Amino acid sequence: AQSVTQLDSHVSVSEGTPVLLRCNYSSSYSPSLFWYVQHPNKGLQLLLKYTSAATLVKGINGFEAEFKKSETSFHLTKPSAHMSDAAEYFCVVSDGGTSYGKLTFGQGTILTVHP
Amino acid sequence: DAGVIQSPRHEVTEMGQEVTLRCKPISGHDYLFWYRQTMMRGLELLIYFNNNVPIDDSGMPEDRFSAKMPNASFSTLKIQPSEPRDSAVYFCASSQRLPGTGSSGYTFGSGTRLTVV
Repeated sequence: AQSVTQLDSHVSVSEGTPVLLRCNYSSSYSPSLFWYVQHPNKGLQLLLKYTSAATLVKGINGFEAEFKKSETSFHLTKPSAHMSDAAEYFCVVSDGGTSYGKLTFGQGTILTVHP
Repeated sequence: DAGVIQSPRHEVTEMGQEVTLRCKPISGHDYLFWYRQTMMRGLELLIYFNNNVPIDDSGMPEDRFSAKMPNASFSTLKIQPSEPRDSAVYFCASSQRLPGTGSSGYTFGSGTRLTVV
């Protein structure tokens, strides 16, 4: 069985300050982990993915995430928030170590960026 | 609730053939989404419906793709004619509200793995 817990339903930061969105997972297999972003009225956009290669994964728009097996975490970070980062973010786990396994979504974290 | 039900789970077809994927959303969910997943691109939104009406089909790759939702409990995604590059996993998802507006609400089906040879 697999599950994902996003620890914060809402995160609010000021523009130019760091962003941290937290995600913990559980999986019976070597997981693939993803972060997706969704802006209102848009589809999901892949930010980055971990598939058992380097544990520090760099994604688009300056985001990165670190896979920590000992902590079963995959937190998303960005050094400096931009207004355009305001959106909902989803942590996703896929079982079996491939991108084709069953997808389990976290409940999402709304990121608000203040000027 | 049985969740979002997709059929078939696996489909292997020859290039040029018509393929129809089916989805039954969760009862009471007003939004239905069709996504395609590939290794290179992850999940791509193809189209979504609200109350059976297509709202955004800008992700449908070509005219060979079409989707319908004749009623609140059934949707189809059709590819005609199919091509090898259409091989992917196609996910259907439903939601009570539009994701991105404060709640995930997404429930995904198990997907249909399509292989076009």
